[in-house]
Amino acid sequence: ETGVTQSPTHLIKTRGQQVTLRCSSQSGHNTVSWYQQALGQGPQFIFQYYREEENGRGNFPPRFSGLQFPNYSSELNVNALELDDSALYLCASSLRVGTMAATEAFFGQGTRLTVV
Amino acid sequence: GDSVTQMEGPVTLSEEACLTINCTYTATGYPSLFWYVQYPGEGLQLLLKATKADDKGSNKGFEATYRKETTSFHLEKGSVQVSDSAVYFCALTFTGNQFYFGTGTSLTVIP
Repeated sequence: ETGVTQSPTHLIKTRGQQVTLRCSSQSGHNTVSWYQQALGQGPQFIFQYYREEENGRGNFPPRFSGLQFPNYSSELNVNALELDDSALYLCASSLRVGTMAATEAFFGQGTRLTVV
Repeated sequence: GDSVTQMEGPVTLSEEACLTINCTYTATGYPSLFWYVQYPGEGLQLLLKATKADDKGSNKGFEATYRKETTSFHLEKGSVQVSDSAVYFCALTFTGNQFYFGTGTSLTVIP
């Protein structure tokens, strides 16, 4: 059983650029969530994907977008990067069965994004 | 709205000391409650969880009891080790769609 894997582990981008972060969910999981963790803070929910559709979104602007693929892996895209987007981005996978949402999530190691 | 409040750190303890990290929550219903741990440079690892009132989660010597009457889920360990040094996050979720995390409590255990 493989865990949640994210790539890249570190990334440096310039303000105004666009970035794509990737996540492979844990084997057998069908739901992926993304979180932003600023330095010294707890993770903040960005959005969740289930069946390749967005299934809930936190208080983040539209320049944060995502995709989920048929193999349940996911991407997080951020356009027009701002300095405040510098953070650890965490992906979490879980298993949803029908209408029963999972109550446990497994997190990846994260991608450390620095915007300069 | 739904939220989690954690005891602020940092916390520094000597090895074999007792640990308590306070966590209280605000929620409109009865969420599932979690403690996650984050070691330096790593992601979050699930430490323990409880899904209903009076449940006790436990793992690696850590325990936490879901107290509905005080809306609390305090993390405890009787004897900490240097290897327990990390940041601990309390969290809640209703549907699994969204987890609400506290701001984290940094623990340093010195030999």
